[in-house]
Parts: sequence; C-alpha cells; structure tokens
Amino acid sequence: AQSVTQPDIHITVSEGASLELRCNYSYGATPYLFWYVQSPGQGLQLLLKYFSGDTLVQGIKGFEAEFKRSQSSFNLRKPSVHWSDAAEYFCAVGEPSGTGRRALTFGSGTRLQVQP
Amino acid sequence: KAGVTQTPRYLIKTRGQQVTLSCSPISGHRSVSWYQQTPGQGLQFLFEYFSETQRNKGNFPGRFSGRQFSNSRSEMNVSTLELGDSALYLCASSFSYEQYFGPGTRLTVT
Repeated sequence: AQSVTQPDIHITVSEGASLELRCNYSYGATPYLFWYVQSPGQGLQLLLKYFSGDTLVQGIKGFEAEFKRSQSSFNLRKPSVHWSDAAEYFCAVGEPSGTGRRALTFGSGTRLQVQP
Repeated sequence: KAGVTQTPRYLIKTRGQQVTLSCSPISGHRSVSWYQQTPGQGLQFLFEYFSETQRNKGNFPGRFSGRQFSNSRSEMNVSTLELGDSALYLCASSFSYEQYFGPGTRLTVT
C-alpha cells in the first residue's frame, strides 16, 4: 500500500523567509504527486501536481516542488513567504494512469505559521 | 466555471440517525470522490464514482454509502451515526487525474 510522510507537523517561518515543506512517499512505481493547501474551515486547494517529465514543477501562489525519485521525495518550496500563506499543507499521492482509480493518499499535513 | 459545491455546509445529528450529504462537481467532470477528514485520522478516502458506478472504495464500514446521478452529482449517506463519524466530509471532482475539492460539509454527531 502506498503511504505519504510529512515529517514536520508544525513549521513557523518569518514573513519574507524561504520555506521548504518535506514530503516522502512509498509506492512501487512513480505515483502522481500533489500538494494541496487548506485554510481553516475550508476545502483543499490544489497548489501543484507532478505526473511525469520535468522534475521541478511550478504551481500557484509562487510555490514550486521538486520530485526526487532517488529519495522518494516531493518537497514544496517558496522563496519568500507571505502572511497569507499561513495554512495547512498536504502532500498526496495518486495511482498512475492505467489503474483508472482516483483515490488520493494524503500525508498528515504540515501546519505553517508565519511570523510578522 | 463554478467550483465544486457541497450542501449542507454544516450539520448536527444525533447518534443512531442517518445523514445524506450532496456534492455537485465542476461542470464536465464525471468523477466524484469523497473523503473524510478528522483530527485523529487525517484525510481518508471513502469512495469514488464515475459515470454512476462506484469505481473504488476505501476502508470504511458499510454504513457509509454513496451514489452518483446521471448529471454527475453525487450523494453520500451515513446510516446509524456514531460519535466517531463527526468529521469534515470533502467531495472532489476530476476530469483527468487532479482532483478539485469542495468546501466540505462539517458533520457533528451528538
């Protein structure tokens, strides 16, 4: 069974500082990879996705993520954090094409706090 | 395009009752998935429907069921509610492989 690990439960950064949120996955092949963000009381918003090709993917709100097959990682980065980025971030994996299944397996999330 | 909508947004039910939640996907999306989010278990996949057929199911008891209509709208039903069913229930729709989530229905079981 596939699994996703987000080792950092809570991260605090200063506004304007850089950010990296870690994500490691366990899966037999290269899965589809996603990062979502959730503000309090809201649903999940898709930040970016990786299916194949270029291992550095760009997303919305200035976020990017790098897929590293050798490390089974898909870390999320942002060069300069804004106060509005405070939220909970979820890494997720989905089964690759051919299975027809859309079920996502989520990590436990990383709560980001931004200090002024 | 309008996003995924879920109704109602909030619900309070009593143990033993049943509840039905509704989800309207993004126009043109034929796949609808449901997830349960709790502080203890996190985000867990319930089931997925595509063209009115359940295509995949998570590890939840049979009290949790769903269906999809010909217009792709979906409902999920929970019978004989338990306190542990209190959660945020999220619906997601997809055309390809990325899923777009609605705002969720907050269910509280007392």
